[in-house]
Amino acid sequence: NAGVTQTPKFRVLKTGQSMTLLCAQDMNHEYMYWYRQDPGMGLRLIHYSVGEGTTAKGEVPDGYNVSRLKKQNFLLGLESAAPSQTSVYFCASSYPLPGAGQGSTDTQYFGPGTRLTVL
Amino acid sequence: DQQVKQNSPSLSVQEGRISILNCDYTNSMFDYFLWYKKYPAEGPTFLISISSIKDKNEDGRFTVFLNKSAKHLSLHIVPSQPGDSAVYFCAASAKTYKYIFGTGTRLKVLA
Repeated sequence: NAGVTQTPKFRVLKTGQSMTLLCAQDMNHEYMYWYRQDPGMGLRLIHYSVGEGTTAKGEVPDGYNVSRLKKQNFLLGLESAAPSQTSVYFCASSYPLPGAGQGSTDTQYFGPGTRLTVL
Repeated sequence: DQQVKQNSPSLSVQEGRISILNCDYTNSMFDYFLWYKKYPAEGPTFLISISSIKDKNEDGRFTVFLNKSAKHLSLHIVPSQPGDSAVYFCAASAKTYKYIFGTGTRLKVLA
C-alpha cells in the first residue's frame, strides 16, 4: 500500500514549456486534490475532483488544467509554464466521512510533493 | 482575504513543556477543522480533527480545542518532544469537499 505517490519529485522548466504532474493513490479514495505551497501562503487549492470523470476549480486554478480519467489518478497540467508557477505541488486524496451527508470529508492523505521551478 | 489565520509563524518550546498552536477563522460556516503536521521535504500528515458539534478532541498527547464564539481553535501538545518539531497547519471546511489552510506555524522543541 503506497498511499499517495507523485511523479516527478523535481522538475525545472523554461517559461512557456508544458508539463504534466501525475498523482496516483491506491486507497480507493473518491476525492482527489491538487494544492500548491508557497512561502508565507500555506496550502492553496488549485483543482479538485469528487469522482472519476469530474473536476472542479479551487482557489487558484488559472494556468492549470486537470483530468481524472481513472479513479486512482489525478493529473495536473501546465500548458505554458510561468515563473509565478514556481512552487511545491502536493496531491491529496480522501474518503467522505461516513454518514457525513452534507459534504464534510474525512482527512486528506498527501503525497510527498513535487518541487517545480520555472525559469 | 485569509479565512484561516495562523498569526504565529514560529514557536519555540522546551522539551517536556506544553506547546500551544493557535488558529483563527472568519467564516462562521466552517464546520470541520483539522491539524496537519509537516516535516521538510514531505507531504503534510493528518494529526487530529474536530467537528463543530464538539469543543474538544483528544488523541494521546494532542488535544484540539474549538471556541466557536471566538472563531478560534488551538492545538495543545503535552508533553512536547523534539520529534514534534515541524510545521503545523490548521485547515477548515464548510460542508464542502474543499479545505482552506492556514499559513502554518513552525514549532521547534528544544532538547
